Amino acid sequence: GQNIDQPTEMTATEGAIVQINCTYQTSGFNGLFWYQQHAGEAPTFLSYNVLDGLEEKGRFSSFLSRSKGYSYLLLKELQMKDSASYLCAAKDSNYQLIWGAGTKLIIKP
Amino acid sequence: ETGVTQTPRHLVMGMTNKKSLKCEQHLGHNAMYWYKQSAKKPLELMFVYNFKEQTENNSVPSRFSPECPNSSHLFLHLHTLQPEDSALYLCASSQEQSSGANVLTFGAGSRLTVL
Repeated sequence: GQNIDQPTEMTATEGAIVQINCTYQTSGFNGLFWYQQHAGEAPTFLSYNVLDGLEEKGRFSSFLSRSKGYSYLLLKELQMKDSASYLCAAKDSNYQLIWGAGTKLIIKP
Repeated sequence: ETGVTQTPRHLVMGMTNKKSLKCEQHLGHNAMYWYKQSAKKPLELMFVYNFKEQTENNSVPSRFSPECPNSSHLFLHLHTLQPEDSALYLCASSQEQSSGANVLTFGAGSRLTVL
């Protein structure tokens, strides 16, 4: 079956760095997405990786290893506003999105 | 404001009621989606419309009935729901259904409680 695994919850300190891991098993692969969802708000797009390597966008970076079925989202210089859930989703050979259950990130002062 | 607007934001209904959720997008997208989001579970795709044609129905019970009158509007008609249907219902849109880099734009959701 198809599956996405990511930690349920993580805690980090303001100003620090945190890495949220995601492993996926899909029938074929057409890219991996990260979305951010603040409580009570819409999920918003953060990043898309289809080739191996690191994509950097300001304080946020996303990494992909297709051979390992693995991705991570790296958040630097954490701010209180980064407290949110982070959703990992992989697109299979039929372009269907397979979603993880999300990682709730708690930032402490 | 994401460009995808959902109403109502909160809805409480009894099991015998009939209600509808509405979604409107102002992004010029051609695909629209309904997702169900339950606590600590992955997003569940319910329905997809691509150029106003329904292309996905992921074994959703018939008590949920979608309607897409045009590419900007999507409805989810609800009747005889069960308490386990209580969840956040998210609407999303994208340029088109397929293609790898297709980014979804979500609405803020309609929080449904079934008593």
